[in-house]
Amino acid sequence: SAVISQKPSRDICQRGTSLTIQCQVDSQVTMMFWYRQQPGQSLTLIATANQGSEATYESGFVIDKFPISRPNLTFSTLTVSNLSPEDSSIYLCSVGGGGAYNEQFFGPGTRLTVL
Amino acid sequence: AQRVTQPEKLLSVFKGAPVELKCNYSYSGSPELFWYVQYSRQRLQLLLRHISRESIKGFTADLNKGETSFHLKKPFAQEEDSAMYYCALKAGNQFYFGTGTSLTVIP
Repeated sequence: SAVISQKPSRDICQRGTSLTIQCQVDSQVTMMFWYRQQPGQSLTLIATANQGSEATYESGFVIDKFPISRPNLTFSTLTVSNLSPEDSSIYLCSVGGGGAYNEQFFGPGTRLTVL
Repeated sequence: AQRVTQPEKLLSVFKGAPVELKCNYSYSGSPELFWYVQYSRQRLQLLLRHISRESIKGFTADLNKGETSFHLKKPFAQEEDSAMYYCALKAGNQFYFGTGTSLTVIP
């Protein structure tokens, strides 16, 4: 299994600002995933972050709004830019789903509230 | 396209009663299906996966390819089973999640 930590655990931000969320894994993984979980809704995949290449974004998500970094095999950041109240959500980092793992492991999530 | 449907947003059962959380999927390939659970104030975690054919915390789930279903069942619900349950489909390296079912077990 993988142990995943996220920072910050929660934040309250003003409209128009940005928030960068950090995800740290205790082992080297090829693929890291960023999800959004809006209130009362399911998890929606934002993008897949591969080390050494550009992140792959899902339909409806763009790099300008959600830039991602993946500097090494144990770390990734997701930035939510130009915040609006609609961005209020829980953002989850996840690893696995391929290779030695058959399931995904999730971080504790970052709860973002935009005023 | 891949899709996972959990028709019940909320489900309440009495302690000791059987419980079934429904999940249907749509996928043209060979499906790998999972149930994830999120207890109050805890992170999302794997409950079980269909390929293991295991029973975890009394829960079982059978993949029915004919009905494209992967319902989660437990014969006797316990209070500690109260949680949010997500059905998930693995397609390639990506997971697709249902909208979740909030289970409440009434003492």
